[in-house]
Amino acid sequence: DAKTTQPTSMDCAEGRAANLPCNHSTISGNEYVYWYRQIHSQGPQYIIHGLKNNETNEMASLIITEDRKSSTLILPHATLRDTAVYYCIVRAWNTGNQFYFGTGTSLTVIP
Amino acid sequence: DTAVSQTPKYLVTQMGNDKSIKCEQNLGHDTMYWYKQDSKKFLKIMFSYNNKELIINETVPNRFSPKSPDKAHLNLHINSLELGDSAVYFCASSPDRAKPEAFFGQGTRLTVV
Repeated sequence: DAKTTQPTSMDCAEGRAANLPCNHSTISGNEYVYWYRQIHSQGPQYIIHGLKNNETNEMASLIITEDRKSSTLILPHATLRDTAVYYCIVRAWNTGNQFYFGTGTSLTVIP
Repeated sequence: DTAVSQTPKYLVTQMGNDKSIKCEQNLGHDTMYWYKQDSKKFLKIMFSYNNKELIINETVPNRFSPKSPDKAHLNLHINSLELGDSAVYFCASSPDRAKPEAFFGQGTRLTVV
């Protein structure tokens, strides 16, 4: 699976959009971009995933650059409950469904 | 009606003991996993398993073994526990290869003393 690079930590004001970047310059054509988050003392939670088109669901939006070498997770209106570690993962869908987590970005939403 | 449930939530045991952690999913998923999260919060895949194949991370000691009595359960057995086994262990499941997003349990905090 391709490696990803994320900032170690970020802050965001409550009610504002949180934009979390991820670099995956070695991504292969059959690899998807996944985002998970882990709130303190809980298991990781799936957020969203995409291949090359931008995606949106009830939790977030995923913007993938045209060359697919980077992506941004957008939480449109961050709340205090969004404080968590956010993981960007790149993997092919047919690799035994294993997810390799990196160090992630620790997002703190500030009141 | 928890989707992926693990028991126990906390487990404290002495070195050399053998212990098991149970995991059950009521989502009807085909594939289940075990992950280990160490003190540095790094999540590492240990096993992935469906009714056809078991994929083992080669770095996992053979003291760790998954047991699946049926598709809804994947238990983790650990023999001869060592201090370095202390960590949080997460069970997860995913529907199938076409929808590979995984759903995680709440974790089991294992402390070996």
